[in-house]
Amino acid sequence: NAGVTQTPKFQVLKTGQSMTLQCAQDMNHNSMYWYRQDPGMGLRLIYYSASEGTTDKGEVPNGYNVSRLNKREFSLRLESAAPSQTSVYFCASTWGLLAGSQETQYFGPGTRLLVL
Amino acid sequence: AQSVSQHNHHVILSEAASLELGCNYSYGGTVNLFWYVQYPGQHLQLLLKYFSGDPLVKGIKGFEAEFIKSKFSFNLRKPSVQWSDTAEYFCAVKDRNRDDKIIFGKGTRLHILP
Repeated sequence: NAGVTQTPKFQVLKTGQSMTLQCAQDMNHNSMYWYRQDPGMGLRLIYYSASEGTTDKGEVPNGYNVSRLNKREFSLRLESAAPSQTSVYFCASTWGLLAGSQETQYFGPGTRLLVL
Repeated sequence: AQSVSQHNHHVILSEAASLELGCNYSYGGTVNLFWYVQYPGQHLQLLLKYFSGDPLVKGIKGFEAEFIKSKFSFNLRKPSVQWSDTAEYFCAVKDRNRDDKIIFGKGTRLHILP
């Protein structure tokens, strides 16, 4: 049981390049999330997926797209990277709305992205 | 839109001091509340959570938090901190009745002096 895994761990991009950050969970969770973490800004929600087949914008969705490929996987794509997207990206998952008191977000180890 | 405010951005304490980190949220409906901790170089881990019932919630490592509905607050406390508590602490809120969006505060960096 690996929990939430993310690839890659580190990435350097040039402005304008594209890339996809991968996230997978093996806990059969319904909901998955992408956050970015920046100094002094905390975690800001980029996109989330309440269930397979649905995605919704979070606080800072501009410049990103997501795909909920199946129940396990939720990818984040930068079509044309910009220096402002330099950040640490975290994926997370939970059981979702039906979890009640069992709900806890489980986080992946993060992806450090540098855009030059 | 719901939001979370953490009043202290950076707190420095000596070992054995008492700790209280403030957290206020803006949403007036039914919410779930969380405190997460991020130790240096690690990812976020759940400290404690509130869903219903007793507003005083006890978590791991001696932490507790009190939900005060009238004040929209969920402050984190620990009577006596240790050097190993040095970390960044995040408060988070989820609107239970709407969707699965979970919003985090900006975090509080806690530095414990040995």
